[in-house]
Amino acid sequence: DTAVSQTPKYLVTQMGNDKSIKCEQNLGHDTMYWYKQDSKKFLKIMFSYNNKELIINETVPNRFSPKSPDKAHLNLHINSLELGDSAVYFCASTPGLAREAFFGQGTRLTVV
Amino acid sequence: DQQVKQNSPSLSVQEGRISILNCDYTNSMFDYFLWYKKYPAEGPTFLISISSIKDKNEDGRFTVFLNKSAKHLSLHIVPSQPGDSAVYFCAAISNTDKLIFGTGTRLQVFP
Repeated sequence: DTAVSQTPKYLVTQMGNDKSIKCEQNLGHDTMYWYKQDSKKFLKIMFSYNNKELIINETVPNRFSPKSPDKAHLNLHINSLELGDSAVYFCASTPGLAREAFFGQGTRLTVV
Repeated sequence: DQQVKQNSPSLSVQEGRISILNCDYTNSMFDYFLWYKKYPAEGPTFLISISSIKDKNEDGRFTVFLNKSAKHLSLHIVPSQPGDSAVYFCAAISNTDKLIFGTGTRLQVFP
């Protein structure tokens, strides 16, 4: 019974491709997030959705577009992938305010 | 500009002894602080938190101390166990409700 699940766990793709990472949470939480952990291990927030509405959008290239079809799902679509997009992407959720967030296991994206 | 800093990238402690992980922050608007633990190939898991109105919170072997005047918090693990070996992230929240993470400290507990 995985609380926050992401697919795929690993993703290797060529520069210029478009790819999606899916996230689902079965905790009944209202708020979901995408975080990026780069090569220097910084964990930085990218987006936050509350009940399918975007509430936080950090300085992220337009090539990154989150989609929330319902409050249990928050997918991340990335267009025209670049080498610098290689990182581990974590999905997370909270019942309301961003306090004790529950994280997925991460998706390691490698762009070659 | 890194608002939450963990200046020790790694820490090695003998089993049974105390582990002390430190975290400093610069933003005085932070009002809630958390520690997360992360094993390889897994997502961070919540460990313990503290509100800015408190200076200590304890949960079993884990205690978090907050010194607001110094903008410093620490996580004490006692006694340390081999299963505690992981990367520990300090995080902070302000009224913007964004979790700001530190860069992590890798703790190794050896027998």
